[in-house]
Amino acid sequence: DIQMTQSPSSLSASVGDRVTITCRASQGISNYLAWFQQKPGKAPKSLIYAASSLQSGVPSKFSGSGSGTDFTLTISSLQPEDFATYYCQQYNSYPWTFGQGTKVEIK
Amino acid sequence: QVQLVQSGAEVKKPGASVKVSCKASGYTFTGYYMHWVRQAPGQGLEWMGRINPNSGGTNYAQKFQGRVTMTRDTSISTAYMELSRLRSDDTAVYYCARGSCTNGVCYPKYWGQGTLVTVSS
Repeated sequence: DIQMTQSPSSLSASVGDRVTITCRASQGISNYLAWFQQKPGKAPKSLIYAASSLQSGVPSKFSGSGSGTDFTLTISSLQPEDFATYYCQQYNSYPWTFGQGTKVEIK
Repeated sequence: QVQLVQSGAEVKKPGASVKVSCKASGYTFTGYYMHWVRQAPGQGLEWMGRINPNSGGTNYAQKFQGRVTMTRDTSISTAYMELSRLRSDDTAVYYCARGSCTNGVCYPKYWGQGTLVTVSS
């Protein structure tokens, strides 16, 4: 199975900050990488697919980059509604695997 | 619009089975695999397997082989996930998810609202 490792596991940031989350795959996955946002008690919401393609309706403050084994999710200017947990997921091969999550909290 | 509506919360005793349903609407049910993903309290996301609603063919994660059964009823556009021999560590929210695909490669774009399964004596 492909292991996905996110860092950091949590971070504290202020409104307006630029935030970057990294995700590393244990083997190459091309660009078959998705990012999700999850708020407490809710299902994950798709933000990014194919490593850098923004899901329709998702604000452009979210961006993704990377290929192969190293990927990043950037939020350009953190807003109150962005405080949540973020997960990366590889869909290069089965079983699908997810990172352990990054919790973004208010400083 | 694509909608996945899951059945309600369940409380089960250890050793019992649970069957969760996922009713799809807004698209051709037989055109896309349905996946099941679970999330234990305070934990991350874990893929359990998938079913091809057209053929009924299934692929399960090794961890769940022998305990999970995924089925579907095309007449009512509903997928099911049954987990048997429940243990306390099966307590989790169970999600169905439908993929969005490009050239046959799919990621989970659409998610059900989740079903909490609590296993407790």
